[in-house]
Amino acid sequence: GESVGLHLPTLSVQEGDNSIINCAYSNSASDYFIWYKQESGKGPQFIIDIRSNMDKRQGQRVTVLLNKTVKHLSLQIAATQPGDSAVYFCAEGSWGKLQFGAGTQVVVTP
Amino acid sequence: KAGVTQTPRYLIKTRGQQVTLSCSPISGHRSVSWYQQTPGQGLQFLFEYFSETQRNKGNFPGRFSGRQFSNSRSEMNVSTLELGDSALYLCASSQGADSSGANVLTFGAGSRLTVL
Repeated sequence: GESVGLHLPTLSVQEGDNSIINCAYSNSASDYFIWYKQESGKGPQFIIDIRSNMDKRQGQRVTVLLNKTVKHLSLQIAATQPGDSAVYFCAEGSWGKLQFGAGTQVVVTP
Repeated sequence: KAGVTQTPRYLIKTRGQQVTLSCSPISGHRSVSWYQQTPGQGLQFLFEYFSETQRNKGNFPGRFSGRQFSNSRSEMNVSTLELGDSALYLCASSQGADSSGANVLTFGAGSRLTVL
């Protein structure tokens, strides 16, 4: 029979543009949030993390924003490149126990 | 520095059999976590081990078990396999000793299990 999978939202971005990926989390007590990128055939790869006592953190070409009031997390990628094409997951938790979101498929077009 | 190594990468089993998956963490990492990834349920936490002790456990039946050895290497076992156990099983390691409770997981490439 047909299998039902998670419907991954897709973000199509033109090369060179900025990307914004959004994530809503459920646990208001969470104090640690993290973004991972997963390419086909590979395990998730760490991008950036943020603690609940911060609302913004910047890395190389990436920025994570945390809005605890509305329980929202976002990842901004500057000057998106073809190598950024992947599924992006937000996660919350600690001590090796992370609760992952469903993921967002990012497709970078030339 | 070698990454997280998982073996085997691919395996096929039949219903009712059991399977053991292995994970070698990054040198110096003492925490090993296991996750199941399926198209239907996404990434789900199985369990986490630190210094040979299970520190956290997810909501999986008792057929799923794991252990960690003194060298931090870990194995997970699934007994009486069901079709729904077909998945990518991911292992992740971290230093695990951050007093704030936050630490970055480094994932392996996973073991792809197919149950027929």
